[in-house]
Amino acid sequence: GAGVSQSPSNKVTEKGKDVELRCDPISGHTALYWYRQSLGQGLEFLIYFQGNSAPDKSGLPSDRFSAERTGGSVSTLTIQRTQQEDSAVYLCASSFGSGTQYFGPGTRLLVL
Amino acid sequence: DAKTTQPPSMDCAEGRAANLPCNHSTISGNEYVYWYRQIHSQGPQYIIHGLKNNETNEMASLIITEDRKSSTLILPHATLRDTAVYYCIVRVADSNYQLIWGAGTKLIIKP
Repeated sequence: GAGVSQSPSNKVTEKGKDVELRCDPISGHTALYWYRQSLGQGLEFLIYFQGNSAPDKSGLPSDRFSAERTGGSVSTLTIQRTQQEDSAVYLCASSFGSGTQYFGPGTRLLVL
Repeated sequence: DAKTTQPPSMDCAEGRAANLPCNHSTISGNEYVYWYRQIHSQGPQYIIHGLKNNETNEMASLIITEDRKSSTLILPHATLRDTAVYYCIVRVADSNYQLIWGAGTKLIIKP
């Protein structure tokens, strides 16, 4: 079946602009995660949604970062007033409950 | 939270078994060991996970030592497409969803 999809695959923006990144999880998965991966590094946890529970935002690096999940499915990660250090690959994953996480292909963000 | 230690890189000949080690000496009794891999420019791909017992699936085998302080991922017949960064991860003990990622092992399969 269809896996996790993310859009856009690549995004180039200017410093100070806002960006929105989208994630479509696997159908039926209750949990959704956002991670960030800088060049040559492992993944850094950002935020976690599970069903109708309040999201765990403990990994968000600053208040410029926010995310929402509408209707328990699609999620949008928003970065306001982007900075050059926000350049990274943003990865989304989903799981059924707290089971195995399956990842999307990522969005490569470059802030000029 | 338990952390993992992996060699930064390894080589393996095509067709041979690739054995990737991981140390997790501070792992707690209820923490699972997960393995993912990431092929260049793609999202991480789940491989296998285990708690105490050895596990095998269509992709790999996972051998966990009796004291659970280390494990080995085995790719039985490596192919060129297995070239990737392999991550050994333990699940956060008191928050059963978060994965803590290290730098992984860059595995290069040579023809």
